[in-house]
Amino acid sequence: GENVEQHPSTLSVQEGDSAVIKCTYSDSASNYFPWYKQELGKGPQLIIDIRSNVGEKKDQRIAVTLNKTAKHFSLHITETQPEDSAVYFCACAAYTGGFKTIFGAGTRLFVKA
Amino acid sequence: NAGVTQTPKFRVLKTGQSMTLLCAQDMNHEYMYWYRQDPGMGLRLIHYSVGEGTTAKGEVPDGYNVSRLKKQNFLLGLESAAPSQTSVYFCASSWGDNEQFFGPGTRLTVL
Repeated sequence: GENVEQHPSTLSVQEGDSAVIKCTYSDSASNYFPWYKQELGKGPQLIIDIRSNVGEKKDQRIAVTLNKTAKHFSLHITETQPEDSAVYFCACAAYTGGFKTIFGAGTRLFVKA
Repeated sequence: NAGVTQTPKFRVLKTGQSMTLLCAQDMNHEYMYWYRQDPGMGLRLIHYSVGEGTTAKGEVPDGYNVSRLKKQNFLLGLESAAPSQTSVYFCASSWGDNEQFFGPGTRLTVL
């Protein structure tokens, strides 16, 4: 079946450094690629998304890149801050009579002050 | 707006008991989803609905049933709970293939 692989599972960076999280997917029909941030005890919340007709998207310190040929996409966080510490999930969605979303296993990001 | 709410927040069941988790959204979204979250496995889709009266299976539907009798509500049922169903359950809603809005989760323990 379809799957999404996410790496690394844990990432520790110094405040001010950049963090990069990478995902690969198997379903070539996927056309929507969101990233979610989950803080402790809460539900995931969307931080940025990209669609298959766009290669890169940026929102302040966060950027996402997509390579459909290689079936991989990445999240880049620049100038990391302690409040960026959380679990990040990549996901991809394809239309199958409804939109079924498959999530990666998550990356736990620690930003050390 | 309350967004997506889930009831209950916590529950402990014995093996074989049944229960229903309730999800409600006030954003008039067509799509609703039920996920389970287990350590190291991310979010796995149990069932989803593309509109009132419709449901579809996700990745891990076995042992669960759902109903969408009203557009704003999506119910997840466990007919005979098993320890393997110990997890955190999240409901979400969206407009089609757009951002999903998640509830706060229900932590379920099956003894």
